[in-house]
Amino acid sequence: AQSVTQLDSHVSVSEGTPVLLRCNYSSSYSPSLFWYVQHPNKGLQLLLKYTSAATLVKGINGFEAEFKKSETSFHLTKPSAHMSDAAEYFCVVSDPASGGSYIPTFGRGTSLIVHP
Amino acid sequence: DAGVIQSPRHEVTEMGQEVTLRCKPISGHDYLFWYRQTMMRGLELLIYFNNNVPIDDSGMPEDRFSAKMPNASFSTLKIQPSEPRDSAVYFCASSLLSTGRDTQYFGPGTRLTVL
Repeated sequence: AQSVTQLDSHVSVSEGTPVLLRCNYSSSYSPSLFWYVQHPNKGLQLLLKYTSAATLVKGINGFEAEFKKSETSFHLTKPSAHMSDAAEYFCVVSDPASGGSYIPTFGRGTSLIVHP
Repeated sequence: DAGVIQSPRHEVTEMGQEVTLRCKPISGHDYLFWYRQTMMRGLELLIYFNNNVPIDDSGMPEDRFSAKMPNASFSTLKIQPSEPRDSAVYFCASSLLSTGRDTQYFGPGTRLTVL
């Protein structure tokens, strides 16, 4: 069975400072991992994904995440926050379920607050 | 591409009424997913389809919920009768494949309020 834990429900940063959103996962297989972003009153949009290639994954808007198998982590980072980064961020794990299908499991989300 | 289209964007109804939510996936995508998002439970997968066939509906909360996909370009999620606890944002998403590595494309959601 797979699971994902986002360690912070809220993260508050000042504009121009680094962002770190933490995600730990549990999987019996080699999982695929995703980060999605949800801006207010919008649907979710893919930021980046890891699918067993390079462990450091670069996404849109300057975000990146590093897959660390030994730590079962997939933390999301950005060197310098922008006001437009304020949103809800979801970490997602996906590995083969019974029958061979892949059902993604979403974390509870981390709300990123950016102060001017 | 117009992306995943959902209608209506907002729905307010009274307890006991039937509610139908609609979704048009991205053309060519073989998989369609229905999710529900609430503050209490986060984002929950309700059901998903592959080539118009329901594959897993274990997330559907109870018999009041039903989903159909009569063709590749249209799906509905129906709640009958609706209850206040069904109030949530319902998202439809589609993906080209479901190998676990595929991006899901989400619609803007339908915000349902049951009074």
